[in-house]
Amino acid sequence: RKEVEQDPGPFNVPEGATVAFNCTYSNSASQSFFWYRQDCRKEPKLLMSVYSSGNEDGRFTAQLNRASQYISLLIRDSKLSDSATYLCVVNLGGGSYIPTFGRGTSLIVHP
Amino acid sequence: GAVVSQHPSRVICKSGTSVKIECRSLDFQATTMFWYRQFPKQSLMLMATSNEGSKATYEQGVEKDKFLINHASLTLSTLTVTSAHPEDSSFYICSARAVAGEEKLFFGSGTQLSVL
Repeated sequence: RKEVEQDPGPFNVPEGATVAFNCTYSNSASQSFFWYRQDCRKEPKLLMSVYSSGNEDGRFTAQLNRASQYISLLIRDSKLSDSATYLCVVNLGGGSYIPTFGRGTSLIVHP
Repeated sequence: GAVVSQHPSRVICKSGTSVKIECRSLDFQATTMFWYRQFPKQSLMLMATSNEGSKATYEQGVEKDKFLINHASLTLSTLTVTSAHPEDSSFYICSARAVAGEEKLFFGSGTQLSVL
């Protein structure tokens, strides 16, 4: 079993749709979680951290479910510019810092 | 915000050539830098963790004599792909932690290596 798993997609949605991605992780001692966005042949950029209480930033909502060991990202009112690959990053190290990336979920928003 | 500069952005070279990639933190001191490789439609794969002034820690399956990492200062880490072969063609990217204890990563813009 991979340490951080994501459905690669692609998720193909119309503008204005709501779309959600999940990411599962294997190490129950994992302490911190992030969503990054990566455009083709570009570096990943931090989208948001994921907190235990859940957090929201505009159209984006991230949640953590420790019992089931997954995090989620919800995008509301999708824009064309949201088309990208969304990477789940989990610090698997517990007390150590071992950022581990999922393979990413591809999102395509069409007119 | 923290800026990480990586260059070159693209390299095309002949098989057997060695290629050096530089990663600089421009406005902060990076005690730890990470080097990743990414094949098309694949995830970022950690190659090694580089700590300033000490030897890099390589992930399983990554040849340390093939991928030489030097982190001689708090602002510069280099990755040298020695005797590159076509199978080394990939997107290489570095990242750095801005502050010890801070878990956000700041990435360089990546280097696309094509070995002919």
